[in-house]
Amino acid sequence: EVQLVESGGASVQPGRSLRLSCVASGFTFDDYAMHWLRQVPGKGLEWVSGITWNSDNINYADSVLGRFTISRDNAKRSLYLQMNSLRADDMAVYYCAKDGGLINALYYFDSWGQGTLVTVSS
Amino acid sequence: SYVLTQPPSESVAPGQTARLTCGGINIDTENVHWYQQKPGQAPILVVYDTSDRPSGIPERFSGSSSGNTATLTISRVEAGDEAGYYCQTWDGTGDHPVFGGGTKLTVL
Repeated sequence: EVQLVESGGASVQPGRSLRLSCVASGFTFDDYAMHWLRQVPGKGLEWVSGITWNSDNINYADSVLGRFTISRDNAKRSLYLQMNSLRADDMAVYYCAKDGGLINALYYFDSWGQGTLVTVSS
Repeated sequence: SYVLTQPPSESVAPGQTARLTCGGINIDTENVHWYQQKPGQAPILVVYDTSDRPSGIPERFSGSSSGNTATLTISRVEAGDEAGYYCQTWDGTGDHPVFGGGTKLTVL
C-alpha cells in the first residue's frame, strides 16, 4: 500500500522560511515523479511543484517560482519543499503526491499524503 | 492560462445518476483527471486519462469528454459519494497542471 507522510508544517511569520518533508513507502520511490500541491482550507486545489524521478526536470507554479525549491533524496525515499520568503497567501495545507506515470511524469496524482498545515501570520 | 470551469454545487437523490461537468476550450483534446475529496481528507483519484479508473474505484464512476466539456458520471449514487469533485488537466500554455474550482456534490 502506498503511504506518503508529510511533516514540517508550522505557524511562521511573513518573510520566514520553512522546510516540508514527505516520506514515501509501499512503492519504488525512484521510479516516479513526485509533486507538492496545496489547498487553502475550504478552497480549491493548486499544484505547487513537481520533480522527476532523477531530479532532471523540475518545475514550479508561477506563484512560488523563485521562492520555493523542491528536491528529493531517493536513498531516503523522501521529498522536500524548501519555502522561503513566505507570504500570507502561501497559507494552506500542503500535500505530497505521487505521479501516476512510471518513470515518465504524466502530471496526474494517484496517491496523496494527508497533508501538513502551513500558517503564515504576523 | 487554461481555465477549467466547474459548477460550484450539484445535488442528486440516492440511486440516481450524477453528471459533474468540467468546461475548458477543446478539453476533449486533453487528458482529464478527476479527484474526490471528502471533508478533512486528502483527495483521491477516481478517474484518470479522461475515462480510466484506478484499481479500487467502483465501476459506478466513469468519465467522458466531448467538445468543450468533460464529464464525471456517478451511477447509482450513494450517500458516501457526497464530496467535492475536482477536474484537472495540463495547461500547455503555462506548462503546469491546472485544476477546476471543484463541485460540491450533495446526496439528498
